[in-house]
Amino acid sequence: DAGVTQSPTHLIKTRGQHVTLRCSPISGHKSVSWYQQVLGQGPQFIFQYYEKEERGRGNFPDRFSARQFPNYSSELNVNALLLGDSALYLCASSWQGASNQPQHFGDGTRLSIL
Amino acid sequence: LAKTTQPISMDSYEGQEVNITCSHNNIATNDYITWYQQFPSQGPRFIIQGYKTKVTNEVASLFIPADRKSSTLSLPRVSLSDTAVYYCLVGVMNTGFQKLVFGTGTRLLVSP
Repeated sequence: DAGVTQSPTHLIKTRGQHVTLRCSPISGHKSVSWYQQVLGQGPQFIFQYYEKEERGRGNFPDRFSARQFPNYSSELNVNALLLGDSALYLCASSWQGASNQPQHFGDGTRLSIL
Repeated sequence: LAKTTQPISMDSYEGQEVNITCSHNNIATNDYITWYQQFPSQGPRFIIQGYKTKVTNEVASLFIPADRKSSTLSLPRVSLSDTAVYYCLVGVMNTGFQKLVFGTGTRLLVSP
């Protein structure tokens, strides 16, 4: 079975631009979460979606937004990119997003801002 | 919000057993404890999860004392390929959503 897939794997943007990152969850998983991982640190929670509704939001500015589609895939959008947005963006899926259901991560999108 | 504390780094040799302890003093009643492994430029990989006592799977064991304020990940007979960062997490569940709070993790180096 396919795991969590993310696209693109690498992306280079300049300050002020906009970016859209995509994620396809494991088949049957209805919850998708997004994390940002800056080099040398642990992943930081951005959003969680379950059944197309936002269930949680981390401490990120409004420049970050996301949505989940009827097929449970998800997009993360970041507007007005800053140098500090350079990071590995990780998507994780789980069946229902409950605490006792392990999240399965993709290998991320490496975003570099010039 | 349940925070976790774990050693920054650990060193071991091939074939040894490695125990990584994590403290989570303010864990909530319905929180589970989960451990992930991460290699460079890859997403975290689920290792094991537990609520209390002991859980064992094909790659690791997780020991959780009765007060649940700490947990220990045990990796039997590590190999060079176990060199990675290991994260201890407590799932924060609030009104039906799950937010994983990652710390800086424990960087395990396995030498020949």
